[in-house]
Formats: sequence, structure tokens, C-alpha cells
Amino acid sequence: DSGVTQTPKHLITATGQRVTLRCSPRSGDLSVYWYQQSLDQGLQFLIQYYNGEERAKGNILERFSAQQFPDLHSELNLSSLELGDSALYFCASSVAGGHYEQYFGPGTRLTVT
Amino acid sequence: GENVEQHPSTLSVQEGDSAVIKCTYSDSASNYFPWYKQELGKRPQLIIDIRSNVGEKKDQRIAVTLNKTAKHFSLHITETQPEDSAVYFCAASKRTGGYNKLIFGAGTRLAVHP
Repeated sequence: DSGVTQTPKHLITATGQRVTLRCSPRSGDLSVYWYQQSLDQGLQFLIQYYNGEERAKGNILERFSAQQFPDLHSELNLSSLELGDSALYFCASSVAGGHYEQYFGPGTRLTVT
Repeated sequence: GENVEQHPSTLSVQEGDSAVIKCTYSDSASNYFPWYKQELGKRPQLIIDIRSNVGEKKDQRIAVTLNKTAKHFSLHITETQPEDSAVYFCAASKRTGGYNKLIFGAGTRLAVHP
């Protein structure tokens, strides 16, 4: 157990819908990262937050947004869902924003039908 | 743009043999190179990492080497065991103002046969 929690574990929804994925970092970690893992794309970095502020962006679609709250938990919002958004979404956390080990959560499996 | 290529995509070895996975990165400013192991249905876990000021790092049966000139780094697993079977991902990033954008390779599926 990495200490990073993600909810829900599984999510099944229809195209066009909006969902919110939640992540709680390890106690004491200030930085949160979101990744998308699909069969043909591997692990893709989406976005990083550090102490409530956005720090880095990857290839995150405009339909996706995220935020980190004062209690340091983070949410990833996915809207206007398409079939291709079906994937495993991982959250990771690290103690700071630089080259520190990133601890991954168990992931949320999203299925868009 | 930033890119990390990883080879081979699959690797099959006999228990006790060595396994080598190689990665090449495109951004010469990259200075941090972690390796993650992901077992089936589980989360990626860091197994070893190396920074650009070091050429080699070892931790028991695993080692990583870095060649900055050629922009490639490799994972070496000796005396492989069936529990080493997993998907291994290399990654590269450059540290800029507290941000750590990891660019992952496509992964190598390692199978260790008893």
C-alpha cells in the first residue's frame, strides 16, 4: 500500500457524460500527479499540482481539468466523455515537486460505453 | 518534442538468466531517470532511479546505467526470478522550478520462466 488513495475504483458511464476522479496523497506529500494508462498509449502524464498550484501540464485534453484543494486532495474532472477516454487513471504523489519518488495510487478504471 | 523509446517491448528469459531493457531519450536536458515495475492489475512502483551526475547505480539484483552522451539508459536484472515477471517502464524528466514531468517509455513485458 503506497498511502495514496483513489476513488472510485471502477467507473462505468456513457459517452457525453462527466465524471470526477478523486485522489488523496500520502500524508505529508505536497505534489500530486495524474496519469492516464491505456492499452495503446502506455503511461501518459496529464498534469501536476504542487501545494494547490498547477506546476506542469502534459497532453491533457481541454475536456479534462483538475485541481488540488487546500487539504491537498486532488480531483480530475473528465467531461464530454468519448469511448477513447476509457483507460486506467492513476494519481501519484511526492513529498515535493522535484525529483522525488512518485508513489502511485491503485488507479480508477474508467469505462465509457 | 520530448520522447522516450524503450526496447524490447517483450522479453522472455529463463529463471536465473539476466535481463536487459534499454531506453533512449530525446531531451538532452533530462536529468532524472526512474524505472517503474507494474505487476498485472497493480500500480506502478519505483524500483530504482538515477540522476544525471551518476553513471551507474546498483541495488541488489538490479542496476541502471546511464550514458548521457548517447542519451540512453538501461536496466539490468541479474539472477532473474519468476516474481520479476511484470511490465517495466523507464522514464525521463528534467527538473525545472519544482516541476517533475515524467515522460514514460512504452513499457517492456518481462516473462521469467521457471
